[in-house]
Amino acid sequence: ETGVTQTPRHLVMGMTNKKSLKCEQHLGHNAMYWYKQSAKKPLELMFVYSLEERVENNSVPSRFSPECPNSSHLFLHLHTLQPEDSALYLCASSQERDSALGQFFGPGTRLTVL
Amino acid sequence: KQEVTQIPAALSVPEGENLVLNCSFTDSAIYNLQWFRQDPGKGLTSLLLIQSSQREQTSGRLNASLDKSSGRSTLYIAASQPGDSATYLCAVHGSEKLVFGKGTKLTVNP
Repeated sequence: ETGVTQTPRHLVMGMTNKKSLKCEQHLGHNAMYWYKQSAKKPLELMFVYSLEERVENNSVPSRFSPECPNSSHLFLHLHTLQPEDSALYLCASSQERDSALGQFFGPGTRLTVL
Repeated sequence: KQEVTQIPAALSVPEGENLVLNCSFTDSAIYNLQWFRQDPGKGLTSLLLIQSSQREQTSGRLNASLDKSSGRSTLYIAASQPGDSATYLCAVHGSEKLVFGKGTKLTVNP
């Protein structure tokens, strides 16, 4: 596998479920990101990890819980979500947190909350 | 707070046309600007990245320019093809954060 991969690609869950999104990057990067893309809104940055340490949390509700066990893997744990959390969740990575080489994105997980 | 605006929101052109997509941003203190392509329901593919010290970048039929002082960037697509149909996103990297516009949805008709 190359680049940034995300699983699952599609997820449907009820409001009481607990699920996790997984992201893996094969680029040797040190920074990883979670973004949310809702219909007709710009991509919103949720979390930033640099060298496995969370360096930014953009006022995201606690029902979203990120985890970065190593520099190649990033998880987003979901619990007690709301229907308005339905969106495309994108993972990205970059060489460093403020890399001049830009960010590389995964294909995303399409989440539907019923 | 950085704000990124993309005009037009949607564009439909016949195959073969040359076209320009526009991006403007409010804070000129940026590290770089990136243009992405997004196909429906898919992730983002990076097309071009322009460093703050550069004026333009080219890749095949794509040319992106950057005028940092006026807060503007353009993406020029030459000889458009139906396969170019997608949403094009402009993202500005400043203060260690990437800020996106809402995108321009491009349709190239055969």
